[in-house]
Amino acid sequence: GAGVSQSPRYKVAKRGQDVALRCDPISGHVSLFWYQQALGQGPEFLTYFQNEAQLDKSGLPSDRFFAERPEGSVSTLKIQRTQQEDSAVYLCASTLGTGPYEQYFGPGTRLTVT
Amino acid sequence: GESVGLHLPTLSVQEGDNSIINCAYSNSASDYFIWYKQESGKGPQFIIDIRSNMDKRQGQRVTVLLNKTVKHLSLQIAATQPGDSAVYFCAGALNSNSGYALNFGKGTSLLVTP
Repeated sequence: GAGVSQSPRYKVAKRGQDVALRCDPISGHVSLFWYQQALGQGPEFLTYFQNEAQLDKSGLPSDRFFAERPEGSVSTLKIQRTQQEDSAVYLCASTLGTGPYEQYFGPGTRLTVT
Repeated sequence: GESVGLHLPTLSVQEGDNSIINCAYSNSASDYFIWYKQESGKGPQFIIDIRSNMDKRQGQRVTVLLNKTVKHLSLQIAATQPGDSAVYFCAGALNSNSGYALNFGKGTSLLVTP
């Protein structure tokens, strides 16, 4: 079956531009996570959705970052007025339930801010 | 918060040998641990997980050991193959507002030589 998909796979933005990154989780998955992965580092938690409810956004680096999942399926991570330090791979993951289960990751979106 | 780290950043093994990747965690409240493999340009891929009420779990060619006394995890890969070359991450989680958001370590690069 289809896994988690993300688009675009690569995005180059000029500093100051706004970007939107899309995540299509596995159908029926309740939980959705966004992570940020800097080069050579492990992924770091950004935000968590349970269906359409954003239950935790404590990992978002600044108020320039905004995420939504309005219908409890597709999610969008938006970054306003991008800065060079936003350059990273943004990973989306989903799980069937809300408990301790394997998280299925998408391929990520590599964002480069020039 | 949770801090998960790895003892060795790189590991080189010969094809056919067994590999052991180690990981330490700091938050004794973590009750779920997971190992992921990440190849270049791809999202993390699930290898094996273990809950805190277990000390060992086996999969196909892989074994995870959990020592809660010293807060240590290890991943053993039997008969390592060239296709096992990748970066390996351990992660811990506990039930919180962020669901079971994963707290990743920095990763160990495994290189399998013929």
